[in-house]
Amino acid sequence: EDKVVQSPLSLVVHEGDTVTLNCSYEVTNFRSLLWYKQEKKAPTFLFMLTSSGIEKKSGRLSSILDKKELFSILNITATQTGDSAVYLCAVAGSFFGNEKLTFGTGTRLTIIP
Amino acid sequence: EAGVAQSPRYKIIEKRQSVAFWCNPISGHATLYWYQQILGQGPKLLIQFQNNGVVDDSQLPKDRFSAERLKGVDSTLKIQPAKLEDSAVYLCASSLWAGDTQYFGPGTRLTVL
Repeated sequence: EDKVVQSPLSLVVHEGDTVTLNCSYEVTNFRSLLWYKQEKKAPTFLFMLTSSGIEKKSGRLSSILDKKELFSILNITATQTGDSAVYLCAVAGSFFGNEKLTFGTGTRLTIIP
Repeated sequence: EAGVAQSPRYKIIEKRQSVAFWCNPISGHATLYWYQQILGQGPKLLIQFQNNGVVDDSQLPKDRFSAERLKGVDSTLKIQPAKLEDSAVYLCASSLWAGDTQYFGPGTRLTVL
């Protein structure tokens, strides 16, 4: 069974700090790893990673994938209160020609002003 | 571009009652997904449609849950009869094709009393 484990489960930091969120996975026929930000209800897409060692960057957020060690990290620098959310990691595995996402439980990030 | 639309946003029912949720995907997206997200957990796939056909419903509790996407556009998810453990947020997502990035709707928060 495909498995995605995120750590830490929750994190509280002060505004301006840098945080690193972790995601490790076991999946059959890996296709890609995705990060989503979930505020209130709808997860919003952040990154899709398919290749090892290539950093994806968007503003203060960046992410990298290690397909040998089966993990990814999401970094947020100079955190702001608007970064408070649950960050979900999901892994896409190939399943009889179809692609299926397995989500982790998420990391709840709280930024204190 | 309009996002994924869902209704209602909130629903409170008593156990053994029936409930239905509606989803309209992003225009042109062939693949539609229904997820169940229980508090403190990541989303879990219930069913995936490719146009109007079911691709994967392996985690759908078929004794009480049903879903359809008759014209290959919008979709309805029904629970009949509801149980207390069905309390969750029901998320709809869509993608251009199976394997492309999934975009999520705002979700429906269901409370079963």
